[in-house]
Parts: sequence; C-alpha cells; structure tokens
Amino acid sequence: EIVMTQSPATLSVSPGERATLSCRASQSVSSNLAWYQQKPGQAPRLLIHGASTRATDIPARFSGSGSGTEFTLTISSLQSEDFGVYYCQQYSNWPPWTFGQGTKVEIK
Amino acid sequence: EVQLVESGGDLVQPGGSLRLSCAASGFTFSSYSMNWVRQAPGKGLEWVSYISTSGDTTYYPDSVTGRFTISRDNAENSLYLHMNSLRVEDTAVYYCARGPPFFHPWGQGTLVTVSS
Repeated sequence: EIVMTQSPATLSVSPGERATLSCRASQSVSSNLAWYQQKPGQAPRLLIHGASTRATDIPARFSGSGSGTEFTLTISSLQSEDFGVYYCQQYSNWPPWTFGQGTKVEIK
Repeated sequence: EVQLVESGGDLVQPGGSLRLSCAASGFTFSSYSMNWVRQAPGKGLEWVSYISTSGDTTYYPDSVTGRFTISRDNAENSLYLHMNSLRVEDTAVYYCARGPPFFHPWGQGTLVTVSS
C-alpha cells in the first residue's frame, strides 16, 4: 500500500498571499495524483488530476506540480473561499486508493 | 447536471447491519465504475469499496473485507453498500463517488453512527 504524507498539517495564510501545500508518496506514483478541496460540512471537490491538470471550473490560481514521490499544490493568491482542508490522493497502485491526511488552510 | 445522492445513514448498535444507497443522475451510470469513501468525525478520507461497471469486480480494504458488500443496479442507476457486523470505528460520513482513477464527483454524504 502506498502511504501519502501531507505537510504541513495546518497552514495559516492571509488573504491575497500565496499558499504552498506538499504531498509525498512512499513510492513513485508517476503523475497519478489528484488534489481535493473540502470545506466544512461539504463533500470533497476535485481540484487537480494528473498532478497538474485543473478540473473543470477550477480557477487558474490553483496549480499542481511534481511527479514521482514529491508533489505541490499552490494557490497563487488566496481568496476567502479557499479556506478549508486539502487532500492528495494517489491512483498509481491500487487497490487501495490512498489519501494523505490533509492540510488545513486557515485564515492568519 | 451530474448528481449523486446518498441515503440510508442511521444510528445502529455495534454488530448491527445497514444498507446505504446512492442515486445517480445526469450521466450514463452503467458506463462508470463507482466507489464508497468514508470520513470519520474530524478525520481524513478512507476509500472503502469499488465496483466495476458491470458489477463483476469489487475491491475492499482490509478494514471492511468480509463485512461490507458493494453492489449496483444499472437499470435503476443506483449504487449500494451493505454493511454487516458494524463496529464503533465504522462511524463516519459515507460518500459515493464516481471513478477511478480519481474520484469525481462526490455525493453529499450520509452519516452512519455505530453506538450502543
């Protein structure tokens, strides 16, 4: 089973600032990585797949990069609606499909 | 509009059983594999079952193998999760989600509480 590790656990960011979230895989997943956003009381929403391809209707301020074992989600200028928890997920070696433990992005 | 709507969550005693349902609309349900993903209170996401388009292939993690059964009715555009021998640690919001390789979209979730 591939273990996904996200850092930091919590990221405090002011609106308008850049946010950088990290995700590491215990073995190479190539570019088979997705990012999700979850707001309180809501279901997760797909942001990025293929490590860097934005899903439909996702704003350009969200970008993904990386391959192999190291990945980054960058929010270029944080908006108020971007606060929440972000999860990475690998789909290279399955089952099981595995998620990171999440990074909470909160208002500084 | 693609939509997934779960139902069936409830309070159940340890050792009990429950069946969750997910109604799909807005896409050709029979053409997509489907999954259940759960989230314990205040915790992260855990994939708990997969079913292929025809239903002939299913996968589960070790944590639910032998207790949970995923099934589907393509004529009714519906997905199900049959849960037996429920444990306190199965308490979670259960989401249905289309996929893989990634999960998109997700339903709004249904809460299962296992407690005496």
